[in-house]
Amino acid sequence: AQKITQTQPGMFVQEKEAVTLDCTYDTSDPSYGLFWYKQPSSGEMIFLIYQGSYDQQNATEGRYSLNFQKARKSANLVISASQLGDSAMYFCAMRERNQGGKLIFGQGTELSVKP
Amino acid sequence: ETGVTQSPTHLIKTRGQQVTLRCSSQSGHNTVSWYQQALGQGPQFIFQYYREEENGRGNFPPRFSGLQFPNYSSELNVNALELDDSALYLCASSLEGERPQHFGDGTRLSIL
Repeated sequence: AQKITQTQPGMFVQEKEAVTLDCTYDTSDPSYGLFWYKQPSSGEMIFLIYQGSYDQQNATEGRYSLNFQKARKSANLVISASQLGDSAMYFCAMRERNQGGKLIFGQGTELSVKP
Repeated sequence: ETGVTQSPTHLIKTRGQQVTLRCSSQSGHNTVSWYQQALGQGPQFIFQYYREEENGRGNFPPRFSGLQFPNYSSELNVNALELDDSALYLCASSLEGERPQHFGDGTRLSIL
C-alpha cells in the first residue's frame, strides 16, 4: 500500500496567487515526521518545511505553510503569492520513528507558475 | 558552511560494469542516506550510514553496497549494472536526531 499519496501529477497557478498541493499518508507509528521538498529541473532536493506528528500548530516557513490534519492523515502544502521560480516538482515525504532515518516519498506534483 | 556535494555529476556505464558514487556530507553531519530516483518517480531509499555502520536498508539487492568514512563522507557502489539502474542517485546528510535531511545535487547514472 502507498504510504505517501500525491494525487495531483501536475498543477498550474497564476503568479501571485496561492496554491495548495495535496498529500495524504498512511502509518501506524504514532511518532512520525512529514516533509516537503522542492526539486527544480536541476535535480537538487530543497527542504521546504517540516511537521512533527505531535506538533500542535501547523508549520510555517515564509511563504510555505503546511495544513496538517492528523485525523484525516493529510499534510497539504500551501504556497502563498506564487513566484515564477516556484515552478518545480514538489515531493511530500514521511519519516517514521521506527524506521530510523528512512524517508518515504510520494510520486510528486509538478507545479507550473504562469506569468 | 559547506553543503552536501556529490561526484561525479554525470556518468555513463554499460551493463555488467561496476560504479562508485561519492558524497561529502554537510559539515557536522554524521548520518548519510542514499536514494535512487528513476525518471518521473519519487526517490527510493537505498540505505543509511551512521558513524560508519549501515543503519537501515531499503528494498535493494546486495549488489548495492556502501561505505562511510571517519570524516562522514560516503560511497555508493553498484556491481553488475543493469539497465534499470539508470537513475538520479541522491545523497542526503543529517545530524542524528535532526529532522531535515539535506540533499546534494545528485549523480545522473545512465546505463547503456
